[in-house]
Amino acid sequence: DAGVIQSPRHEVTEMGQEVTLRCKPISGHNSLFWYRQTMMRGLELLIYFNNNVPIDDSGMPEDRFSAKMPNASFSTLKIQPSEPRDSAVYFCASTHPGTETQYFGPGTRLLVL
Amino acid sequence: GDSVTQMEGPVTLSEEAFLTINCTYTATGYPSLFWYVQYPGEGLQLLLKATKADDKGSNKGFEATYRKETTSFHLEKGSVQVSDSAVYFCALIKEGAEGSQGNLIFGKGTKLSVKP
Repeated sequence: DAGVIQSPRHEVTEMGQEVTLRCKPISGHNSLFWYRQTMMRGLELLIYFNNNVPIDDSGMPEDRFSAKMPNASFSTLKIQPSEPRDSAVYFCASTHPGTETQYFGPGTRLLVL
Repeated sequence: GDSVTQMEGPVTLSEEAFLTINCTYTATGYPSLFWYVQYPGEGLQLLLKATKADDKGSNKGFEATYRKETTSFHLEKGSVQVSDSAVYFCALIKEGAEGSQGNLIFGKGTKLSVKP
């Protein structure tokens, strides 16, 4: 299995631009999580889906952030417009039904100038 | 709300030294507890877990025991190696809404550097 796949691995953009991060969970996993990691705040859960349905989006910072999961094998996290304070590493993770272990992707390192 | 507190880093040790990274938690009910490890430039990987009181999780020479009376889950290893240099995260899982898969609540992470 290829594991959780995230793209791009690195993204540099200018303030005000739209950024889209992509995640492909492990096949057969039914829960998907988006996290943000910064030095100041550590790891924060942004949103998670169960069976493609958003369950908890209370961690989404503000309306500039949106996430979708149109099918079991794909999810996007979009920031529009982006701001320098959004600079962070964004991780996607997935879990198999009935288990608690989350498998993390390699992350997308985002830099907003 | 539920939370995890782990010792501040960084921790620097010589090879073959004994390692302890403290972790305590606050939670309602009986959460499952985890240690994840993040190697440089990579995502997090599960290191070990324990699902109920007095359970001991172990992997790669690391151990942690779920202590309900002290609400702790300290990570230990008897003899660290240079390859253990990484950031270690303690976490608990919060039960999901309506029985769905819950989300992890992480500590801030502790960076470990092991010198040869």
